[in-house]
Amino acid sequence: RKEVEQDPGPFNVPEGATVAFNCTYSNSASQSFFWYRQDCRKEPKLLMSVYSSGNEDGRFTAQLNRASQYISLLIRDSKLSDSATYLCVVNWLNQGGKLIFGQGTELSVKP
Amino acid sequence: GAVVSQHPSWVICKSGTSVKIECRSLDFQATTMFWYRQFPKQSLMLMATSNEGSKATYEQGVEKDKFLINHASLTLSTLTVTSAHPEDSSFYICSARKGLTDTQYFGPGTRLTVL
Repeated sequence: RKEVEQDPGPFNVPEGATVAFNCTYSNSASQSFFWYRQDCRKEPKLLMSVYSSGNEDGRFTAQLNRASQYISLLIRDSKLSDSATYLCVVNWLNQGGKLIFGQGTELSVKP
Repeated sequence: GAVVSQHPSWVICKSGTSVKIECRSLDFQATTMFWYRQFPKQSLMLMATSNEGSKATYEQGVEKDKFLINHASLTLSTLTVTSAHPEDSSFYICSARKGLTDTQYFGPGTRLTVL
């Protein structure tokens, strides 16, 4: 079983749509959680951290369910510029702060 | 956010040669740097963790004699791919952080093609 699992997609949505990505992780000792965005042939960039209480940043909402070992990202009012691969990432602080990346979910927003 | 640079951004080399990739933290001191590899349509895979002044810790399955890592200062780590083969062709990305709980900042990556 992969340590971090995501549906690779692609998700093809029209502009303005709401889209949700899910992620599960296998290591219950995982201690912090993130969503990164990666554009084609570029490095990943931090989109947002994910907290158990849920957190929102503009059109983006992230949720963490520790009991189910499940992380989600909701994007509202999708823009063309949201097209990218979204990476679910967990941090193993008890292993020197290693970041473990999911495979990524590809999003394509069409006009 | 903090800035991490990598050099070169892309390199093409012949099979059997060695290639050195540099990772620099430009505006902060990085006690730890990480090296990742990403094949097309796949996830970033951690290769090794490098702490300044000590030997790198390699992930299972990564050959330390093939991928030499040096972290001689708080702002520079290097990855040398020795005796490169076509299967080493990949996107190599470094990241750097100040302390254990700090954010990792990623370099722009180096695309290696081995002919």
